[in-house]
Amino acid sequence: NAGVTQTPKFQVLKTGQSMTLQCAQDMNHEYMSWYRQDPGMGLRLIHYSVGAGITDQGEVPNGYNVSRSTTEDFPLRLLSAAPSQTSVYFCASMGGLLGGYTFGSGTRLTVV
Amino acid sequence: GNSVTQMEGPVTLSEEAFLTINCTYTATGYPSLFWYVQYPGEGLQLLLKATKADDKGSNKGFEATYRKETTSFHLEKGSVQVSDSAVYFCALIVQGGKLIFGQGTELSVKP
Repeated sequence: NAGVTQTPKFQVLKTGQSMTLQCAQDMNHEYMSWYRQDPGMGLRLIHYSVGAGITDQGEVPNGYNVSRSTTEDFPLRLLSAAPSQTSVYFCASMGGLLGGYTFGSGTRLTVV
Repeated sequence: GNSVTQMEGPVTLSEEAFLTINCTYTATGYPSLFWYVQYPGEGLQLLLKATKADDKGSNKGFEATYRKETTSFHLEKGSVQVSDSAVYFCALIVQGGKLIFGQGTELSVKP
């Protein structure tokens, strides 16, 4: 039982490049979310999903796209990376509203 | 709207001291409440939770009680250890599955 798996753990991008942060869970959880964590800003919700085929925007969605074609996977796409997207990104999943989210170990992204 | 407010950090305590980290919330409906902990260089771990009024969540010596009348969920521990040094996040989940965090409180415990 791997839980929530995020890849890669570290990534350096040049401004304007695109990339996809991968997130997979093996717990058959319906709810999945992406957060970014910045010093002094806490954790901010980027996008979330309540099930396959359903996604919605969080607090800071600009510059990011998501899709949820399967229950297991919830990739986060950066279309054209900017230095302001330098951050640590966390993916999380939850089986029901009472259970709480389980977090992945994070992806540290640097945009130069 | 829905929001969580935590006491500002950093909090510095001596080993075996009593810990309280205040957390208050604003929410429509009846949220579930959580405390998460983040140790240095790691991801977030669920520390404890409470899903209805007057519930007490507890884990690893930490406790928090869901107080609907004061919209609070304060975290307490009777005797902290150096290994408790971490950042603590209060959070709530509202209908729709959105997990909303407070800004986090850094705890440093000195021997």
